[in-house]
Amino acid sequence: GAVVSQHPSWVICKSGTSVKIECRSLDFQATTMFWYRQFPKQSLMLMATSNEGSKATYEQGVEKDKFLINHASLTLSTLTVTSAHPEDSSFYICSARAKRVLDGYTFGSGTRLTVV
Amino acid sequence: DAKTTQPPSMDCAEGRAANLPCNHSTISGNEYVYWYRQIHSQGPQYIIHGLKNNETNEMASLIITEDRKSSTLILPHATLRDTAVYYCIVRVAEYGNKLVFGAGTILRVKS
Repeated sequence: GAVVSQHPSWVICKSGTSVKIECRSLDFQATTMFWYRQFPKQSLMLMATSNEGSKATYEQGVEKDKFLINHASLTLSTLTVTSAHPEDSSFYICSARAKRVLDGYTFGSGTRLTVV
Repeated sequence: DAKTTQPPSMDCAEGRAANLPCNHSTISGNEYVYWYRQIHSQGPQYIIHGLKNNETNEMASLIITEDRKSSTLILPHATLRDTAVYYCIVRVAEYGNKLVFGAGTILRVKS
Protein backbone atom coordinates (compact mmCIF):
# COMPACT_ATOMS: atom_id res chain seq x y z
CA GLY A 1 0.00 0.00 0.00
CA ALA A 2 0.87 3.67 -0.10
CA VAL A 3 3.59 4.60 2.38
CA VAL A 4 4.62 8.05 3.55
CA SER A 5 7.90 8.36 5.39
CA GLN A 6 8.49 11.31 7.68
CA HIS A 7 11.85 12.24 9.16
CA PRO A 8 12.96 12.88 11.81
CA SER A 9 10.51 11.31 14.23
CA TRP A 10 11.61 13.69 16.97
CA VAL A 11 13.93 16.66 17.24
CA ILE A 12 15.05 19.04 19.94
CA CYS A 13 16.40 22.42 18.92
CA LYS A 14 17.41 25.67 20.52
CA SER A 15 15.35 28.83 20.27
CA GLY A 16 16.24 30.87 17.22
CA THR A 17 17.45 27.98 15.12
CA SER A 18 15.72 26.38 12.13
CA VAL A 19 14.52 22.82 11.78
CA LYS A 20 13.70 20.93 8.58
CA ILE A 21 11.21 18.06 8.46
CA GLU A 22 11.04 15.77 5.43
CA CYS A 23 8.04 13.95 4.06
CA ARG A 24 8.49 11.35 1.34
CA SER A 25 6.01 9.25 -0.59
CA LEU A 26 7.85 5.95 -0.97
CA ASP A 27 5.92 4.02 -3.57
CA PHE A 28 3.81 6.61 -5.34
CA GLN A 29 3.98 10.10 -6.72
CA ALA A 30 2.25 12.83 -4.81
CA THR A 31 1.72 16.15 -6.55
CA THR A 32 -0.05 17.38 -3.43
CA MET A 33 0.96 16.91 0.17
CA PHE A 34 -0.44 18.43 3.32
CA TRP A 35 1.15 19.58 6.57
CA TYR A 36 -0.60 19.49 9.91
CA ARG A 37 0.27 20.58 13.41
CA GLN A 38 -1.12 19.01 16.55
CA PHE A 39 -0.86 20.32 20.09
CA PRO A 40 -1.35 17.98 23.08
CA LYS A 41 -4.91 16.73 23.50
CA GLN A 42 -6.06 18.63 20.42
CA SER A 43 -7.04 17.59 16.94
CA LEU A 44 -4.92 17.99 13.83
CA MET A 45 -4.82 21.49 12.43
CA LEU A 46 -4.11 21.88 8.74
CA MET A 47 -1.24 24.29 8.17
CA ALA A 48 -0.71 24.26 4.44
CA THR A 49 -1.10 22.45 1.16
CA SER A 50 2.15 21.67 -0.59
CA ASN A 51 2.03 21.60 -4.39
CA GLU A 52 4.85 20.13 -6.48
CA GLY A 53 6.55 22.80 -8.52
CA SER A 54 4.60 25.70 -7.12
CA LYS A 55 4.12 27.73 -3.97
CA ALA A 56 2.37 26.24 -0.99
CA THR A 57 -1.09 27.36 0.01
CA TYR A 58 -1.24 28.33 3.67
CA GLU A 59 -4.26 28.22 5.93
CA GLN A 60 -5.44 31.39 7.56
CA GLY A 61 -3.31 32.39 10.52
CA VAL A 62 -0.27 30.32 9.52
CA GLU A 63 2.86 32.41 8.94
CA LYS A 64 4.31 31.46 5.58
CA ASP A 65 7.65 33.11 6.34
CA LYS A 66 8.01 31.07 9.50
CA PHE A 67 6.89 27.73 8.12
CA LEU A 68 8.66 27.32 4.80
CA ILE A 69 7.36 24.56 2.59
CA ASN A 70 9.20 23.22 -0.42
CA HIS A 71 7.82 20.54 -2.73
CA ALA A 72 10.66 20.16 -5.19
CA SER A 73 9.81 16.70 -6.50
CA LEU A 74 6.84 14.38 -6.82
CA THR A 75 7.97 12.36 -3.82
CA LEU A 76 9.39 14.91 -1.41
CA SER A 77 8.00 17.83 0.54
CA THR A 78 9.86 19.62 3.33
CA LEU A 79 8.68 21.85 6.13
CA THR A 80 11.23 24.20 7.67
CA VAL A 81 10.40 25.88 10.95
CA THR A 82 12.50 29.04 10.93
CA SER A 83 13.66 30.93 14.00
CA ALA A 84 11.94 28.40 16.22
CA HIS A 85 10.46 29.43 19.56
CA PRO A 86 9.17 27.29 22.42
CA GLU A 87 5.58 27.92 21.30
CA ASP A 88 6.44 26.14 18.03
CA SER A 89 6.91 22.94 19.99
CA SER A 90 4.31 20.57 18.62
CA PHE A 91 3.65 17.36 16.70
CA TYR A 92 3.98 17.94 12.95
CA ILE A 93 2.40 15.48 10.52
CA CYS A 94 2.44 15.29 6.74
CA SER A 95 0.09 13.44 4.45
CA ALA A 96 -0.20 12.60 0.78
CA ARG A 97 -2.90 11.28 -1.48
CA ALA A 98 -2.76 7.58 -2.17
CA LYS A 99 -2.87 6.33 -5.74
CA ARG A 100 -6.59 6.22 -6.31
CA VAL A 101 -8.66 9.37 -6.08
CA LEU A 102 -11.20 7.79 -3.75
CA ASP A 103 -8.61 6.32 -1.39
CA GLY A 104 -7.91 8.06 1.84
CA TYR A 105 -4.82 10.08 2.42
CA THR A 106 -1.78 8.34 3.83
CA PHE A 107 -0.08 10.00 6.76
CA GLY A 108 3.47 10.09 7.95
CA SER A 109 4.30 8.96 11.45
CA GLY A 110 4.79 12.52 12.63
CA THR A 111 7.65 14.60 14.02
CA ARG A 112 7.75 15.68 17.64
CA LEU A 113 9.48 19.09 17.76
CA THR A 114 10.66 20.47 21.08
CA VAL A 115 12.18 23.94 21.14
CA VAL A 116 14.21 24.75 24.25
CA ASP B 1 -17.16 20.17 3.33
CA ALA B 2 -20.05 19.26 5.60
CA LYS B 3 -19.60 19.44 9.38
CA THR B 4 -19.62 16.28 11.47
CA THR B 5 -20.59 15.69 15.10
CA GLN B 6 -19.14 12.86 17.17
CA PRO B 7 -19.37 11.99 20.86
CA PRO B 8 -16.20 13.07 22.67
CA SER B 9 -15.50 9.65 24.18
CA MET B 10 -16.71 6.06 24.37
CA ASP B 11 -15.72 2.94 26.24
CA CYS B 12 -15.87 -0.59 24.91
CA ALA B 13 -15.09 -3.96 26.44
CA GLU B 14 -12.37 -5.98 24.80
CA GLY B 15 -13.76 -8.53 22.37
CA ARG B 16 -17.05 -6.73 21.96
CA ALA B 17 -18.14 -4.67 18.99
CA ALA B 18 -17.40 -0.97 19.13
CA ASN B 19 -20.01 1.20 17.43
CA LEU B 20 -18.90 4.77 16.82
CA PRO B 21 -21.60 7.18 15.61
CA CYS B 22 -21.17 10.23 13.43
CA ASN B 23 -23.74 12.84 12.53
CA HIS B 24 -23.40 14.67 9.20
CA SER B 25 -26.85 16.09 8.60
CA THR B 26 -25.68 18.69 6.05
CA ILE B 27 -23.87 16.22 3.79
CA SER B 28 -24.30 16.86 0.10
CA GLY B 29 -24.75 14.34 -2.68
CA ASN B 30 -21.13 14.19 -3.83
CA GLU B 31 -19.54 14.00 -0.39
CA TYR B 32 -18.05 10.81 0.94
CA VAL B 33 -17.81 9.74 4.57
CA TYR B 34 -14.24 8.90 5.62
CA TRP B 35 -13.04 7.42 8.89
CA TYR B 36 -9.54 7.70 10.27
CA ARG B 37 -8.03 6.88 13.62
CA GLN B 38 -5.01 8.15 15.47
CA ILE B 39 -3.22 6.09 18.03
CA HIS B 40 -1.30 8.15 20.54
CA SER B 41 1.73 9.96 19.10
CA GLN B 42 1.30 8.48 15.63
CA GLY B 43 0.00 9.78 12.33
CA PRO B 44 -3.65 9.11 11.49
CA GLN B 45 -4.53 5.83 9.83
CA TYR B 46 -7.15 5.42 7.14
CA ILE B 47 -9.91 2.99 8.08
CA ILE B 48 -12.72 3.06 5.57
CA HIS B 49 -14.88 5.32 3.45
CA GLY B 50 -18.28 5.20 1.74
CA LEU B 51 -20.77 7.21 -0.28
CA LYS B 52 -24.17 5.68 0.38
CA ASN B 53 -23.81 1.92 0.49
CA ASN B 54 -22.57 0.07 3.54
CA GLU B 55 -18.92 -0.88 3.29
CA THR B 56 -16.75 -3.50 4.93
CA ASN B 57 -13.04 -4.16 4.88
CA GLU B 58 -10.57 -6.05 7.00
CA MET B 59 -10.56 -3.37 9.66
CA ALA B 60 -14.16 -2.28 10.05
CA SER B 61 -17.65 -1.86 8.68
CA LEU B 62 -19.30 1.42 7.79
CA ILE B 63 -23.05 1.73 8.00
CA ILE B 64 -24.57 4.82 6.37
CA THR B 65 -28.23 5.65 6.92
CA GLU B 66 -30.49 5.83 3.91
CA ASP B 67 -30.79 9.62 4.15
CA ARG B 68 -26.98 9.79 4.57
CA LYS B 69 -27.31 12.13 7.52
CA SER B 70 -25.47 9.84 9.88
CA SER B 71 -23.17 6.85 9.89
CA THR B 72 -21.70 4.30 12.26
CA LEU B 73 -18.24 2.81 12.24
CA ILE B 74 -18.20 -0.72 13.59
CA LEU B 75 -15.11 -2.47 14.91
CA PRO B 76 -16.48 -6.02 15.21
CA HIS B 77 -14.16 -7.37 17.89
CA ALA B 78 -12.37 -4.53 19.61
CA THR B 79 -8.93 -5.15 21.07
CA LEU B 80 -6.82 -3.03 23.38
CA ARG B 81 -4.84 -1.89 20.34
CA ASP B 82 -7.98 -0.25 18.96
CA THR B 83 -7.81 2.38 21.69
CA ALA B 84 -7.41 5.60 19.71
CA VAL B 85 -9.08 8.80 18.59
CA TYR B 86 -11.50 8.13 15.73
CA TYR B 87 -12.28 10.87 13.24
CA CYS B 88 -15.29 10.99 10.94
CA ILE B 89 -14.73 13.33 7.99
CA VAL B 90 -17.04 14.26 5.17
CA ARG B 91 -15.53 15.52 1.97
CA VAL B 92 -15.73 15.57 -1.79
CA ALA B 93 -13.38 12.99 -3.25
CA GLU B 94 -11.36 15.21 -5.55
CA TYR B 95 -7.61 14.99 -5.92
CA GLY B 96 -5.92 17.70 -3.92
CA ASN B 97 -8.95 18.36 -1.77
CA LYS B 98 -7.75 18.95 1.77
CA LEU B 99 -8.75 16.87 4.75
CA VAL B 100 -10.02 18.82 7.74
CA PHE B 101 -10.20 17.07 11.12
CA GLY B 102 -12.77 17.67 13.82
CA ALA B 103 -12.43 16.75 17.48
CA GLY B 104 -13.09 13.04 16.98
CA THR B 105 -14.13 10.36 19.48
CA ILE B 106 -11.72 8.92 22.01
CA LEU B 107 -12.39 5.19 22.09
CA ARG B 108 -11.09 3.37 25.15
CA VAL B 109 -11.10 -0.42 24.91
CA LYS B 110 -10.93 -1.98 28.34
CA SER B 111 -10.09 -5.51 29.41
